[in-house]
Amino acid sequence: DQQVKQNSPSLRVQEGRISILNCDYTNSMFDYFLWYKKYPAEGPTFLISISSIKDKNEDGRFTVFLNKSAKHLSLHIVPSQPGDSAVYFCAATTTSGTYKYIFGTGTRLKVLA
Amino acid sequence: KAGVTQTPRYLIKTRGQQVTLSCSPISGHRSVSWYQQTPGQGLQFLFEYFSETQRNKGNFPGRFSGRQFSNSRSEMNVSTLELGDSALYLCASSLGDSPLHFGNGTRLTVT
Repeated sequence: DQQVKQNSPSLRVQEGRISILNCDYTNSMFDYFLWYKKYPAEGPTFLISISSIKDKNEDGRFTVFLNKSAKHLSLHIVPSQPGDSAVYFCAATTTSGTYKYIFGTGTRLKVLA
Repeated sequence: KAGVTQTPRYLIKTRGQQVTLSCSPISGHRSVSWYQQTPGQGLQFLFEYFSETQRNKGNFPGRFSGRQFSNSRSEMNVSTLELGDSALYLCASSLGDSPLHFGNGTRLTVT
């Protein structure tokens, strides 16, 4: 049972435009969500997170939006840069002590110069 | 501060053999988690250790085991290797409720 889903395996965006990566979850107990970026031959690196008490969190070019009623979150990258080309994973967990992060299957973003 | 270190980076094993992977967390981090990454499956949670105790376990067979030492370093063992165990194994450490910090992984190939 895939509790965290990223339905788009890949995404191609022109440099300077907005990249929107989507993630859906099924477990209503999740209350903390994260995005990670992964380059080939490297481990995932933390990008941005959001708590369920918020609906938006922004950090520079990266903004994460959370729609709890739809159990949906998205990552917006504006403007997109070629260096953003990577695989992006969303992850979810509960902060009530499970210490277990559930990851999606990833979306490969290609930013075209 | 040094990041999460995983050794070895690459391993080639034969079916039926066993393998041990090592992970040194960021200094001060007491929680260590292990994940398996395969194409199309994302990162699958294996287990999580804190202060030498396994706090959480994913849905993997008993061939997959781990442990954590008093210095927070962790090892993961896979016995009776199968072809399907070929994957990138990632270790992550964290401090309290902070986000996971990942190592660069061990690429295991089973032939």
